[in-house]
This record gives sequence, C-alpha cells and structure tokens, in this order.
Amino acid sequence: GAVVSQHPSWVICKSGTSVKIECRSLDFQATTMFWYRQFPKQSLMLMATSNEGSKATYEQGVEKDKFLINHASLTLSTLTVTSAHPEDSSFYICSASAFQGSSYNEQFFGPGTRLTVL
Amino acid sequence: QKEVEQDPGPLSVPEGAIVSLNCTYSNSAFQYFMWYRQYSRKGPELLMYTYSSGNKEDGRFTAQVDKSSKYISLFIRDSQPSDSATYLCAMSRGSNYKLTFGKGTLLTVNP
Repeated sequence: GAVVSQHPSWVICKSGTSVKIECRSLDFQATTMFWYRQFPKQSLMLMATSNEGSKATYEQGVEKDKFLINHASLTLSTLTVTSAHPEDSSFYICSASAFQGSSYNEQFFGPGTRLTVL
Repeated sequence: QKEVEQDPGPLSVPEGAIVSLNCTYSNSAFQYFMWYRQYSRKGPELLMYTYSSGNKEDGRFTAQVDKSSKYISLFIRDSQPSDSATYLCAMSRGSNYKLTFGKGTLLTVNP
C-alpha cells in the first residue's frame, strides 16, 4: 500500500508557541489530504480537508486561524498549531488519497504526531 | 445521537475465538463502510471496505453491512494475538468524501 509519513512523531512545546506538523505522501501524488485529531480513547475527528493548491475546508467548530493548513504540493501538507495551549495536546493524524475516478479512493494514514503543550 | 456508535469495549478473547465487532449509524446517506485497525500510537490501516449492503470476505475477516438496520459488523475467525489492536469502523457518503469514525473497540487476544 501507499506510504504516508508525518514529522515530527512527537513534539513538546510551551504554551503560546506555534508548532508545525508535516504530512508527506512518499510514493504517490495525493490530490486530497485530511487532518484528524484523536484524544485518548476517543475517535478520530476530522479537522479539515485540503486539496492541492486550494484553501482547506474546515469542519464546524475548528478554528481556521488557529490550525493553519497548507497543501502546497501533491506530496506535502502542513498543519501549524498557532499559539498552542494545553487543551490542544492531542494525537494529530493526517491521511492522503489520490482521486481514481469511479473506484474507491482509499485514505492512507500517517503514523500520527503526538503534541504535548506544557 | 452520534452519527456512528461503536462499543469501545475492551474486549478480551482467547486465541482461536471468533470475534464479532459492530457499529450502528444514523445517517442513511452513508454508502461506504470501512474497518480500520489501529495499533497503539500508530495511524489506522484499512482492513476492508464495503460499498452499500452485503458481505465481503478477506481471509479470516468478514465484513457485513445491513443498511436497512443501519448496522455493520466485522468478524474475525481464528483470532490471533497479533490481532490485538483497536478496531475502528468508518463511513462515508462517497468514495472521496470525509470519513466519520466510531470510537473504536479495543481487542485483546490472549495466547
């Protein structure tokens, strides 16, 4: 299957600072990338959907000015958590898919980034 | 009511047992139904997907979808300790639409 990487895998930052997380599709061109957040023992919650070269579409309740998403190329999307606070501590997971016409467009998930805000 | 409901467990079974996992949903617009496996601190990996109602089998895994009851199941036959993980159901309205996940069921298969 296709490979999606995330960097960093784990980050600790101080409250008020910004953190950037990278998501890369290593062996395919991703027309769409998704960003999810997962709290302990909770489900993955979609934060936003981004298509290469377009502005991201955010889910209801997700602050677009706080969670900045850039999808500059078909293999790279970044999520920047601005002015992070302890409540932003979570497991952030990206996924990527390539449009394949009528067949099912599987989302391939990255390994996730654990963010801890002190 | 949440769009997708899944019993979080935990579920503990002996090796070789048949495992039954299930989800219910409320949105009749869902057309694709997926099962993902997630190991601790890792991203989910797709096990199977089903379009609309019916059954699908892949090795020891069988997925069933009953759209009339808004109920989906995943069966694991001859369960192995390596099957120990969290199993998440997910659904979408179309092949390139966002996924809505259940909470996940933590499964432990004891040797």
